[in-house]
Amino acid sequence: EDKVVQSPLSLVVHEGDTVTLNCSYEVTNFRSLLWYKQEKKAPTFLFMLTSSGIEKKSGRLSSILDKKELSSILNITATQTGDSAIYLCAVHTDKLIFGTGTRLQVFP
Amino acid sequence: KAGVTQTPRYLIKTRGQQVTLSCSPISGHRSVSWYQQTPGQGLQFLFEYFSETQRNKGNFPGRFSGRQFSNSRSEMNVSTLELGDSALYLCASSLSRGVGELFFGEGSRLTVL
Repeated sequence: EDKVVQSPLSLVVHEGDTVTLNCSYEVTNFRSLLWYKQEKKAPTFLFMLTSSGIEKKSGRLSSILDKKELSSILNITATQTGDSAIYLCAVHTDKLIFGTGTRLQVFP
Repeated sequence: KAGVTQTPRYLIKTRGQQVTLSCSPISGHRSVSWYQQTPGQGLQFLFEYFSETQRNKGNFPGRFSGRQFSNSRSEMNVSTLELGDSALYLCASSLSRGVGELFFGEGSRLTVL
């Protein structure tokens, strides 16, 4: 059965810290891996990583896909309180399979 | 450009009733998928529709059904509601199937009493 696992489940840091969120997967027919941020209701798209694009960066956020290790990390540098959210990793096969998410809390 | 619109945003039902949720995708998007989100299980795939046809289905009982109309709007129906159906139901749209990012709506929060 296809599976996506995220760690840690929860993370509490102070503003300015750097965090690394992990996502590992066991799926057949891997097409892409996506990261989403969910603050209140609707998850918002962060990155999509495929075999042809294994590293993405946007401002303080960056993500790397390791196809050999079947995993991805999401890095957030110089965290701010506005980064507090649930971060979701999802793998696209013939459908989108989500991990349970990592809840990040950033305190001033 | 308007985003994905879901209605109703909140609803309360009692066990045994049925419910219909609606989703209007972003204009031009032809693929609509539905997800159930609960604290314990996270986001779980319900089904995907493309060109009015169900293309894929998750591991949910037959009480969960859906459809898509010619204008790409989609509805999902849950019959004979159970307490465990209480969840946030999220709809997402994309231009096509299997590639690219999904754009999510705000969700419909269903509470079953």
